[in-house]
Amino acid sequence: KQEVTQIPAALSVPEGENLVLNCSFTDSAIYNLQWFRQDPGKGLTSLLLIQSSQREQTSGRLNASLDKSSGRSTLYIAASQPGDSATYLCAVFVSGGSNYKLTFGKGTLLTVNP
Amino acid sequence: DAGVIQSPRHEVTEMGQEVTLRCKPISGHDYLFWYRQTMMRGLELLIYFNNNVPIDDSGMPEDRFSAKMPNASFSTLKIQPSEPRDSAVYFCASSYRRTEAFFGQGTRLTVV
Repeated sequence: KQEVTQIPAALSVPEGENLVLNCSFTDSAIYNLQWFRQDPGKGLTSLLLIQSSQREQTSGRLNASLDKSSGRSTLYIAASQPGDSATYLCAVFVSGGSNYKLTFGKGTLLTVNP
Repeated sequence: DAGVIQSPRHEVTEMGQEVTLRCKPISGHDYLFWYRQTMMRGLELLIYFNNNVPIDDSGMPEDRFSAKMPNASFSTLKIQPSEPRDSAVYFCASSYRRTEAFFGQGTRLTVV
């Protein structure tokens, strides 16, 4: 059974700091990996999708990397802003035949202080 | 496209009542997922469909839960009878050919 772990559970940083969020998964046979952002009381917003054959994806100040062999992904946020405060969730798509499950970690609650 | 649309946004019901949650996926998407989110357990996959066919319902907690997808543009998740422990936020998501998944805004269910 695929398990996804996100460390740290919570992170508080001053504005302008660069930061890294970590995600690890137990089964390396993934189809792809997706990072989401969730604001309080809201739905999930897709940030980045990394295909299993890719090593990283970039969107603006965000950069996500994937190392399948070690079962790890990181989300790098450059020059953090108060508006980045949210919960960040990592999810992996399990591959294998018709099985296509998106399994989530518990998330990292990020607070960026002005 | 307006994205994944869920209704209602909020539902408050009494224990024992039937609850129906609705979802309209993004047009053209062939996968649809139902998730439940609680503080204790995070996001749990309940069931998912591929081309309107249920593929895996192993996450459905009990027989009180059922889901249907009568066509490519509509799905329902029904709870009958509802119980207080069913209180959670229920999300619907869709994707195209195992690529990026998009989520709706969720339905916050409170069973009193």
